[in-house]
Amino acid sequence: QVHLVQSGTEVKQSGASVKVSCQTSGYTFASYGVSWVRQAPGQGLEWVGWIGTGNGNTFYPQKLLGRVTVTTDASTSTVYMELKDLTSDDTAMYYCVRDWGYVPDFWGQGTLVTVSS
Amino acid sequence: QTVVTQEPSLTVSPGGTVTLTCASSSGAVTSDNFPNWFQQKPGLPPRALIYRTDNKHSWTPARFSGSFLGGKAALTLSGVQPEDEADYYCLINYYNAWFFGGGTKLTVL
Repeated sequence: QVHLVQSGTEVKQSGASVKVSCQTSGYTFASYGVSWVRQAPGQGLEWVGWIGTGNGNTFYPQKLLGRVTVTTDASTSTVYMELKDLTSDDTAMYYCVRDWGYVPDFWGQGTLVTVSS
Repeated sequence: QTVVTQEPSLTVSPGGTVTLTCASSSGAVTSDNFPNWFQQKPGLPPRALIYRTDNKHSWTPARFSGSFLGGKAALTLSGVQPEDEADYYCLINYYNAWFFGGGTKLTVL
């Protein structure tokens, strides 16, 4: 069965960086992309980025260009999302999602990132 | 920058039918935008319901269906159950960028 298991809660200071991991299992890692999505407290969903795990191609929203980087480690079937220059607006639950051909299906359990000033 | 709009809230009676819509500021939503729909209950990650407009995942109940309605993507729930009370989000794609709608809070009352 497909599983995406994310790393634990993070508390960061403004201006710092955070790196969240998403370990996948139950499917062929390189055959599916992975997206990252975040949700601020009480708010809606926002796409953070996507990586093609087979070729390493990435796409990011205009709003986060230059601050977000998504990478993979194929040896452990793990995807990472790093966000730098954190502000309080980045406080959110961050989710990884398996994404095949414009079809996000399985979601990780979420990682809470809190940014304090 | 594309803005995706959904009804903020809807109320439906148990056993009734309700349609949620998803509009784009960039024009009519089409199959080229690969519309997806998700359900989210409090404290849980979203759950995928519909992909590429009208395709159900293996776990999606038959009462959920996707379509287009007047230039918008639509999600219809027929024979609504109390457990369908949740937030619903649409997701559309433009040139490899994903845009979520603001979500619809569905109340079953």
